[in-house]
Amino acid sequence: DTAVSQTPKYLVTQMGNDKSIKCEQNLGHDTMYWYKQDSKKFLKIMFSYNNKELIINETVPNRFSPKSPDKAHLNLHINSLELGDSAVYFCASSQVNYGYTFGSGTRLTVV
Amino acid sequence: GDSVTQMEGPVTLSEEAFLTINCTYTATGYPSLFWYVQYPGEGLQLLLKATKADDKGSNKGFEATYRKETTSFHLEKGSVQVSDSAVYFCALSDLGSGNTGKLIFGQGTTLQVKP
Repeated sequence: DTAVSQTPKYLVTQMGNDKSIKCEQNLGHDTMYWYKQDSKKFLKIMFSYNNKELIINETVPNRFSPKSPDKAHLNLHINSLELGDSAVYFCASSQVNYGYTFGSGTRLTVV
Repeated sequence: GDSVTQMEGPVTLSEEAFLTINCTYTATGYPSLFWYVQYPGEGLQLLLKATKADDKGSNKGFEATYRKETTSFHLEKGSVQVSDSAVYFCALSDLGSGNTGKLIFGQGTTLQVKP
């Protein structure tokens, strides 16, 4: 069983399109996150939800909108994709005294 | 704000060499510290962690000690293998509990081990 699963693993799309990335965790964790890894491997947090409530919203263009229908899911919707959005997006979850678990990433390429 | 600084890579070593990857941090509170490893094409795996000063985290032959006086968490391994080739990230968590806040990452250090 995959603890944190993301779909799709690869996403190639044209500029201006709208796309979504889905994330699900089966660990029962209360908190979920989206991180962006750029071409230089630098990782930066984008959003965090705790029990469906947004608790961290870093400086991210408002074209990015997270949605958490329940505490096991955190999806990321991106409008009007730009070349600079090309990156690997990681979903993660955490629980107090347990730590963090990361998904395997979604490589987004905007052409 | 809180930040993590790692030594620049890439680091290239021969098999069985000693590894040190330096990591220093800046934090206003009492963060927990982590090392993550990313193998090519894969996600992030927790390598080890330490939650308070003087704690030593260890796993798979890797060690790091939380040094509050020098604000450091250097990663060491006595004898590296080709299979250790990966990108290593030092990170801190900015909440006191250490496990529900955001992780702040260093820039990553690429390790290449040659046979």
